[in-house]
Amino acid sequence: DTEVTQTPKHLVMGMTNKKSLKCEQHMGHRAMYWYKQKAKKPPELMFVYSYEKLSINESVPSRFSPECPNSSLLNLHLHALQPEDSALYLCASSQVLASTDTQYFGPGTRLTVL
Amino acid sequence: AQSVSQHNHHVILSEAASLELGCNYSYGGTVNLFWYVQYPGQHLQLLLKYFSGDPLVKGIKGFEAEFIKSKFSFNLRKPSVQWSDTAEYFCAVNATSGAGNNRKLIWGLGTSLAVNP
Repeated sequence: DTEVTQTPKHLVMGMTNKKSLKCEQHMGHRAMYWYKQKAKKPPELMFVYSYEKLSINESVPSRFSPECPNSSLLNLHLHALQPEDSALYLCASSQVLASTDTQYFGPGTRLTVL
Repeated sequence: AQSVSQHNHHVILSEAASLELGCNYSYGGTVNLFWYVQYPGQHLQLLLKYFSGDPLVKGIKGFEAEFIKSKFSFNLRKPSVQWSDTAEYFCAVNATSGAGNNRKLIWGLGTSLAVNP
């Protein structure tokens, strides 16, 4: 099973709301990623967790807060977002944080900030 | 710093035409190379990857790519495209050494392929 699941599929939120995106994988992978993707553009890396510890933060604004409760789950907490944060948010996982590892992507959460 | 360049931003082909999408990277060390595809409304998925060995790699759905080290290239090819190949194609590169940031994928800007039936 090479599936990464994400919920919700779509999310509309106001600029004062607090919401969370969820990601789950059951492949035993120990590296998990959050990406942001605008239409017809490549994914932009936001955060990487390796063995449940934050390994890479690509200078993401603090209104995005990642959390890795266990090796299968990855959350992205959202607060006080801006309209320009509207995008497809992708979760991915790989066996470990190694340059040879394939990243498996989830279907994404389509986020609209009003 | 590593970078990836995809020369063709938009490609339009008729069914049965041959496809070649260019990908060049800049990095002096050893690299791992990937092609990902994103079909309309679907998630990113791996087409093929190269780490070492035979520079001609075969992937899913009849795609192949050739790593030419001297040209820093990893071009994607398919002899005969189908309408169902309509998608965004992304080339990505990762270094084989270094810690932390050197292990993130560096993505090209993508190529949008439209295949007319």
